[in-house]
Amino acid sequence: DAKTTQPPSMDCAEGRAANLPCNHSTISGNEYVYWYRQIHSQGPQYIIHGLKNNETNEMASLIITEDRKSSTLILPHATLRDTAVYYCIVRVGGANSKLTFGKGITLSVRP
Amino acid sequence: SQTIHQWPATLVQPVGSPLSLECTVEGTSNPNLYWYRQAAGRGLQLLFYSVGIGQISSEVPQNLSASRPQDRQFILSSKKLLLSDSGFYLCAVGATNEKLFFGSGTQLSVL
Repeated sequence: DAKTTQPPSMDCAEGRAANLPCNHSTISGNEYVYWYRQIHSQGPQYIIHGLKNNETNEMASLIITEDRKSSTLILPHATLRDTAVYYCIVRVGGANSKLTFGKGITLSVRP
Repeated sequence: SQTIHQWPATLVQPVGSPLSLECTVEGTSNPNLYWYRQAAGRGLQLLFYSVGIGQISSEVPQNLSASRPQDRQFILSSKKLLLSDSGFYLCAVGATNEKLFFGSGTQLSVL
């Protein structure tokens, strides 16, 4: 699976949008971009994934650049409960494909 | 949707003692199952994964083993625990839509 690079941490104000960047310059054409988050002392939670088109669900939006070498996860209105470690992962699609987590980015939402 | 049962939530074991952590899944059949470990202050490490009964793949050499005696049961074991086995152990199930769902985890402290 392609390697991803994320800043170690960032913060944002409650109620504002949180834009979490991820670089994956060596991504292959058949690799998807996945985002998970882990709140302290809990298991990771799936957020969203995409191949090349932008995606949106009830939790977040995923913006993938046209060359697919980077992406941004957007939490439109961050709350204190969004404070967590966010993992950007790229992997080949398919149910038997393993998910390898990096260090992620720690998002701190301040009141 | 699937439900993951993982127990116990916390466990304190002396060095050299055996270990058995059990994970059971409901609401799905023939799932891919995974064991991850997160050492204190570190990222998630994939330990084992299984695509079917009796089929186990190990990602890293270690003091642990895994077994899958039934379709929806995944067991993590050790004959003699080491201090370095301490950590947060997570069971995960792969869904047909390629997402991973995680259990609530077991915090293991080896003293």
